[in-house]
Amino acid sequence: GQNIDQPTEMTATEGAIVQINCTYQTSGFNGLFWYQQHAGEAPTFLSYNVLDGLEEKGRFSSFLSRSKGYSYLLLKELQMKDSASYLCAVMDSNYQLIWGAGTKLIIKP
Amino acid sequence: GAVVSQHPSWVICKSGTSVKIECRSLDFQATTMFWYRQFPKQSLMLMATSNEGSKATYEQGVEKDKFLINHASLTLSTLTVTSAHPEDSSFYICSARALATDTGELFFGEGSRLTVL
Repeated sequence: GQNIDQPTEMTATEGAIVQINCTYQTSGFNGLFWYQQHAGEAPTFLSYNVLDGLEEKGRFSSFLSRSKGYSYLLLKELQMKDSASYLCAVMDSNYQLIWGAGTKLIIKP
Repeated sequence: GAVVSQHPSWVICKSGTSVKIECRSLDFQATTMFWYRQFPKQSLMLMATSNEGSKATYEQGVEKDKFLINHASLTLSTLTVTSAHPEDSSFYICSARALATDTGELFFGEGSRLTVL
């Protein structure tokens, strides 16, 4: 079966760095997405990785290792507004998005 | 970035009535649009894939006669929840893939929260 695993909840301090991990097992691979979702709102696109390595975009970076079925989202200089759920999603061989359950990130002052 | 507009944002209806939700790509053409449903504290679940000019492809367990999808143009897809019941109360979200993109990036609408009384 297809499976995406990510921690249910994480807590971090304002100004710090946090890494959210995602492991996956899917039938085929056409890229991995990270989305941010604030409560009651639609997800917003953060990053897309299809090749191994690190993609940096401002305070957010995303890493992919296809051989290990592993990705992480790195958030630096955390701000209170970063409190949200972070969703990992993999596009399989049929171009279907397989979604993780999301990681709720709580930022404390 | 590309914009997807979804309407209405909130809708409350009586049990047994039908509700239509629109999803529009405002500044790009979308050959494929996706409809998702999210129940509280759960992940997004794909309901169906909507292709312009053809019938939608529904995921297993989603009733095609209850959730009518029409993708009449490259900028508009609609989801109609027919004979809505309280268990259909959920957050419905659409997303679209731009015609010209090769990244597979999806652009999401704002979501529509449906409450069936």
